[in-house]
Parts: sequence; structure tokens; C-alpha cells
Amino acid sequence: AQSVSQHNHHVILSEAASLELGCNYSYGGTVNLFWYVQYPGQHLQLLLKYFSGDPLVKGIKGFEAEFIKSKFSFNLRKPSVQWSDTAEYFCAVNPTGNSNYQLIWGAGTKLIIKP
Amino acid sequence: NAGVMQNPRHLVRRRGQEARLRCSPMKGHSHVYWYRQLPEEGLKFMVYLQKENIIDESGMPKERFSAEFPKEGPSILRIQQVVRGDSAAYFCASSHRQGGSGNTIYFGEGSWLTVV
Repeated sequence: AQSVSQHNHHVILSEAASLELGCNYSYGGTVNLFWYVQYPGQHLQLLLKYFSGDPLVKGIKGFEAEFIKSKFSFNLRKPSVQWSDTAEYFCAVNPTGNSNYQLIWGAGTKLIIKP
Repeated sequence: NAGVMQNPRHLVRRRGQEARLRCSPMKGHSHVYWYRQLPEEGLKFMVYLQKENIIDESGMPKERFSAEFPKEGPSILRIQQVVRGDSAAYFCASSHRQGGSGNTIYFGEGSWLTVV
């Protein structure tokens, strides 16, 4: 079955630390890849997405993600986190040809940044 | 534009009661989607509705769950005779056009249902 794994459910970092959140998926075909973020008390919002082209994707607020096809991974990175990055982060995968509402979601990673 | 609005944000129900969750899509959006996130799991698609029509209900449990999106008013996700296993976060999303590949879907803040 198709699935998305986010290896860390909780991550705690200090401000200015570097961040990498892992995301692996199981699907052999072509996929579109997404990272969503939910800040406390707010709606889920799109952070960045990969459809094709350069596998290094830059998103909002200094985040980036790299698609490594051979590893079935789409890890999220940020070189220096801020307290305002405290949020829950979701990786999602959409096998090409599926409708956008049929994303396969990871369980999420709760990120806490200590001031 | 106001975003996707869900209410209530938190709902507590006793076993056997009914839960009603409401979702007002973004202005101009006529496509609504409901998702459920069980504890420690990812979001799972439940149902896709367009005004007065259910387009895809492949993710809906066969019993006790129903959804509607009337011509006027918000979309409603209804859970009858709730059980502890229904405790979850329920997310609503909307889009301007059919939720096909490349089309942007906008999410609400979620409604957290706790069954005691």
C-alpha cells in the first residue's frame, strides 16, 4: 500500500539550530510532493511543493526540500530556525494522475523551537 | 478573502451522541473536501462534495457518517452515535475548481472531536 513516513513525531531545537525533517514514501511511480505546515491555532498551509524539474525546491520562510528519487525521500530543511517556526509539519505525496484531494499524508512532525 | 472556516474548533461528546462539524469554504469555492486525522496518523480523505452533490465518498465509513453541502450554508459532517474511536481532528478544505492535479486546495484550522 502507498504510504508516507515521517520518522520523527516530535523535534525540539534551539533557535538558530539547523533543521532537517525526514519524509519517505512508498510508491514506485511518478509523484508530486508537498510539505504543509500548521502553526498553532491556524489552518494548514502549503509550505512548498515539487512537481518536476530541479529537485531542490525552495518554499516560504526560508524552507527548502530536496527530492531524492533513488531514496524515495523529500526531506525538509532550514539552515537556521526561529521561535516562530514552532508548528506541525506534514509531508504529503500525490501519485501522478491522482486528483489533488487524494494526497497521501504522513503523520506529521511537531516542531518546538526553544527561544 | 476569509479562509476556510471550521466550527466548532473543539467538540466533546459522550458515547452515543451525535457530532456535527461545520465548514464554510473560501468565498467563491464550490468544492469541499473532508479529512480525518486519527492520533499519530496522517490525514485520510473522507469525502468530496460539490454544491448539493457528493462527488467522491470513497473514504467515508459505511455507517454513522454522512456529509452534505447544501445550496445555501456550510458543509456539514455528521457523525451519529459517536464512539471513542471517532476521536480525531477533522479537517475541511475547499477549492475553486475540481480538485485535480495542480489545483490548489485550501485547508481550514481543523475541528477536534473528543468522545468521552
